[in-house]
Amino acid sequence: DAGVIQSPRHEVTEMGQEVTLRCKPISGHNSLFWYRQTMMRGLELLIYFNNNVPIDDSGMPEDRFSAKMPNASFSTLKIQPSEPRDSAVYFCASSFQGVNTEAFFGQGTRLTVV
Amino acid sequence: AQKITQTQPGMFVQEKEAVTLDCTYDTSDQSYGLFWYKQPSSGEMIFLIYQGSYDEQNATEGRYSLNFQKARKSANLVISASQLGDSAMYFCAIRTALIFGKGTTLSVSS
Repeated sequence: DAGVIQSPRHEVTEMGQEVTLRCKPISGHNSLFWYRQTMMRGLELLIYFNNNVPIDDSGMPEDRFSAKMPNASFSTLKIQPSEPRDSAVYFCASSFQGVNTEAFFGQGTRLTVV
Repeated sequence: AQKITQTQPGMFVQEKEAVTLDCTYDTSDQSYGLFWYKQPSSGEMIFLIYQGSYDEQNATEGRYSLNFQKARKSANLVISASQLGDSAMYFCAIRTALIFGKGTTLSVSS
């Protein structure tokens, strides 16, 4: 398996623009996580899905952020409109459901909002 | 809600020495998993070791071991015989939701 695939790897956008980050989980995994990593806040869980259903989105910072998982092999994280403070590395991770399985991370998307 | 606390922002160790990275957790769940990940300067997240809440023995994976003290709610990572390549950020995490601590930066010198 190719692992968790995120695209794009780097994104530079202007403030106010819509940004869409994409994630393809490992085939067969039924849990998917989105994280944001910054120096100030560390690695924050934004939202996670089990079997394509959002379970906990309490980490989503505000209404400008939305995440979807239309099927088991694809998820998106959208920011609209983007702001400079959204600049961060965004990670997607996937795993089998359950407390005893490790999650595998994608390479991350480095987002810069200017 | 689940929470992870890592109180050591940075740790320094010499090659071949052992080092312990601290992690305490808080959860009201009876069943949970504890994980350690490594993030080198290249940025990828690498899974190191797992401990289940019902596991009676401490987990070990090569040079990594997890010192699990359930009553104290601690899950410290022990790296034996440190190597230069161990220099990285180390994160402790708890699952169900896979919440991470702030991390500890480990620097290994020769």
